[in-house]
Amino acid sequence: DQQVKQNSPSLSVQEGRISILNCDYTNSMFDYFLWYKKYPAEGPTFLISISSIKDKNEDGRFTVFLNKSAKHLSLHIVPSQPGDSAVYFCAARTNTNAGKSTFGDGTTLTVKP
Amino acid sequence: GAVVSQHPSRVICKSGTSVKIECRSLDFQATTMFWYRQFPKKSLMLMATSNEGSKATYEQGVEKDKFLINHASLTLSTLTVTSAHPEDSSFYICSALSGSGHNEQFFGPGTRLTVL
Repeated sequence: DQQVKQNSPSLSVQEGRISILNCDYTNSMFDYFLWYKKYPAEGPTFLISISSIKDKNEDGRFTVFLNKSAKHLSLHIVPSQPGDSAVYFCAARTNTNAGKSTFGDGTTLTVKP
Repeated sequence: GAVVSQHPSRVICKSGTSVKIECRSLDFQATTMFWYRQFPKKSLMLMATSNEGSKATYEQGVEKDKFLINHASLTLSTLTVTSAHPEDSSFYICSALSGSGHNEQFFGPGTRLTVL
């Protein structure tokens, strides 16, 4: 049973437009959510996170929204840039397993110039 | 952010040999490190949690005798793939917990293992 799901394996957007990456989870015990960015043959790098007590967290061009009732979160990138092209992983964890995150399968974002 | 290194970045070995992969936290001490395996176009699969000075905790389905983990210091964890076979070929990634803030995970760059 996959507890973190990213249903879109790929997404293509035009440079300057908004990229919206979605993530759903099933475990109601998750209380901290993270987004990672990964380039080929490299390890993931932390992008942005959100605690379950919030519904929005913004950092520059990146905003993460959390809808706890729907068990859904999304990452918005605006404006999208070609350098944003990468695989984006959604991750979630519980307070009791601090640090041990469960990852989704990732979404490959391609930003076209 | 904190820096985690892995060595080697790429290794090719013959079937039946053992391969050791090192994971180091360069500018912080990590009591906990994680080892992941990534299959093509798939998520990061957690293999084990490595705790400094104690035995690693393996996830269900991961053979502890095949994937030996040693976390001998606060900055170094090693993963040894013993008697490697072609099906062990994969991208192995480690991460280290910062222990500060929200206890963030910082990932290494990964090691591409190819077993011939």
